[in-house]
Amino acid sequence: EAQVTQNPRYLITVTGKKLTVTCSQNMNHEYMSWYRQDPGLGLRQIYYSMNVEVIDKGDVPEGYKVSRKEKRNFPLILESPSPNQTSLYFCASSFNRENYGYTFGSGTRLTVV
Amino acid sequence: AQSVAQPEDQVNVAEGNPLTVKCTYSVSGNPYLFWYVQYPNRGLQFLLKYITGDNLVKGSYGFEAEFNKSQTSFHLKKPSALVSDSALYFCAVRESTGNNRKLIWGLGTSLAVNP
Repeated sequence: EAQVTQNPRYLITVTGKKLTVTCSQNMNHEYMSWYRQDPGLGLRQIYYSMNVEVIDKGDVPEGYKVSRKEKRNFPLILESPSPNQTSLYFCASSFNRENYGYTFGSGTRLTVV
Repeated sequence: AQSVAQPEDQVNVAEGNPLTVKCTYSVSGNPYLFWYVQYPNRGLQFLLKYITGDNLVKGSYGFEAEFNKSQTSFHLKKPSALVSDSALYFCAVRESTGNNRKLIWGLGTSLAVNP
């Protein structure tokens, strides 16, 4: 089944403890992106990648890192999480940047205390 | 400024009745417009898009949307609502400038279909 897989689905952590949210797609998509979803703010893009080793900042990149060493994987790294990063995170992919029929993962609900 | 507005936070409709979820946009040039749906505890799913051509676009699950250039709108419609259509609906428009050309998202409209 074609899909974007995110792990974990739920995560509670403490301030400052490094964490990684994994994202993997099995569709050979070139374009991958991370979003956070917050009430009243909608979806905001964190980082995006047009292909392996090609990464650019989205609207809210501060406090996050990503990597794209392989086409299928696009992990999101929080080196020192803070409570304002408590949010619902989604990974998405598409065939390329010009194809906007994104496939989304099921989301990761992160709580930083 | 480029933007998308979904003027209704919530829409309630009885099962079997037609539904409309509204979206207006502001973008320079020709717009690329999209609708996505988010079911509870799930990621967003692509419903349909308008790039060019016929103003009435048909998509998944019996949904359609009408592009109206003069009113800068792209309303989502369905002739007969189902309880299973209850979800959060997002309208989006492609950024018309810059290198990213990312999607600009509306804040979402919660659709409740009552049996």
